[in-house]
Amino acid sequence: GAGVSQSPSNKVTEKGKDVELRCDPISGHTALYWYRQSLGQGLEFLIYFQGNSAPDKSGLPSDRFSAERTGGSVSTLTIQRTQQEDSAVYLCASSPEAGAGFREQFFGPGTRLTVL
Amino acid sequence: RKEVEQDPGPFNVPEGATVAFNCTYSNSASQSFFWYRQDCRKEPKLLMSVYSSGNEDGRFTAQLNRASQYISLLIRDSKLSDSATYLCVVYSNTGNQFYFGTGTSLTVIP
Repeated sequence: GAGVSQSPSNKVTEKGKDVELRCDPISGHTALYWYRQSLGQGLEFLIYFQGNSAPDKSGLPSDRFSAERTGGSVSTLTIQRTQQEDSAVYLCASSPEAGAGFREQFFGPGTRLTVL
Repeated sequence: RKEVEQDPGPFNVPEGATVAFNCTYSNSASQSFFWYRQDCRKEPKLLMSVYSSGNEDGRFTAQLNRASQYISLLIRDSKLSDSATYLCVVYSNTGNQFYFGTGTSLTVIP
């Protein structure tokens, strides 16, 4: 079956521009997470969506970052007025229903963002 | 204090060696534990879940010590293909969050 997909796979942008990153989770997965990973670093949690509940935005580093999830499926992460320190790989992961025992996360291939 | 701490390595071991990775976590209410593997410039993928009684999958053995808040991964008879970064991951239903260690780098040398 189809896994988590993300687009674009690579994005190069100029400082100050806005970017939108897209994530298509596995069908039926109610939980969706965004992370970012800088070169040689661990995963940094950004935001979490669970079904129709209000998202957990506690990991967003600034108000330039926002995300939405339409219809409980596709999610977009938007970064406004990009800065060079935003350069990283942005990873999306989906997971089955909350509370369902061991909950494996399935990751997409990531979007590599480079801000010049 | 970080939620999950790992020795970053790198570990460079010869083929056939046994290598062990350790991880500690800070939240005693954590519920689920995992080891993920991440190849260079690739996304993390689940290697194995970690059960309270310990579990084995082929050459890989995972152990959990809840009292010490400690997780381990043992790889026996290392293969070249085992070269990767191994991520310790802890799940807490407080906020339904997964907490990732920074990973331990393993290189298996011919």
